[in-house]
Amino acid sequence: GAGVSQSPSNKVTEKGKDVELRCDPISGHTALYWYRQSLGQGLEFLIYFQGNSAPDKSGLPSDRFSAERTGGSVSTLTIQRTQQEDSAVYLCASSRLGADYQPQHFGDGTRLSIL
Amino acid sequence: GDSVTQMEGPVTLSEEAFLTINCTYTATGYPSLFWYVQYPGEGLQLLLKATKADDKGSNKGFEATYRKETTSFHLEKGSVQVSDSAVYFCALSEGSGGGADGLTFGKGTHLIIQP
Repeated sequence: GAGVSQSPSNKVTEKGKDVELRCDPISGHTALYWYRQSLGQGLEFLIYFQGNSAPDKSGLPSDRFSAERTGGSVSTLTIQRTQQEDSAVYLCASSRLGADYQPQHFGDGTRLSIL
Repeated sequence: GDSVTQMEGPVTLSEEAFLTINCTYTATGYPSLFWYVQYPGEGLQLLLKATKADDKGSNKGFEATYRKETTSFHLEKGSVQVSDSAVYFCALSEGSGGGADGLTFGKGTHLIIQP
């Protein structure tokens, strides 16, 4: 079956512009996660959704970052007024919820470059 | 807060050598522990997991044992192959059971296996 799909795969934009990153989770996966992978910081957890709600937003780096999920499916991560330090690979993952641990399945990521 | 520390490498070994990648963690509760792997050009995928103390996770010839007394989850393989060349990430989750929870990752260890 289809895995986690992210778009675009690459995005180059100028400092100060807004960007929107999209994630299509695996069908039937209730939980959705966003991570950021950068050279200096490694892999950082940003936010997760359980259905359409995000119980924990503490990982978002600043108030320029926001995320939403609608219909329990697609999620978008928006970065406003981008800065050069926002350059990174943004990864999305999804998982089922159940009595036992359900592994997170990762997409290939969006490589964001801020000029 | 939670943290994961692992050797960053690169680690270079000859084919059929014994592999150990050290991983230690700091957590407030009783986390679940994971090793994820990222092969060249591919997305992150779960390699193995352990959800409680003394559990041993295993997959593809790799093993790791959850050691609560030393807060460690070292990855081992008896005889590595060129195809094991990848970046390996140790991670933890404070979530219980199958509930959604962000993963805390180590910085990753780049493993290079030479023929």
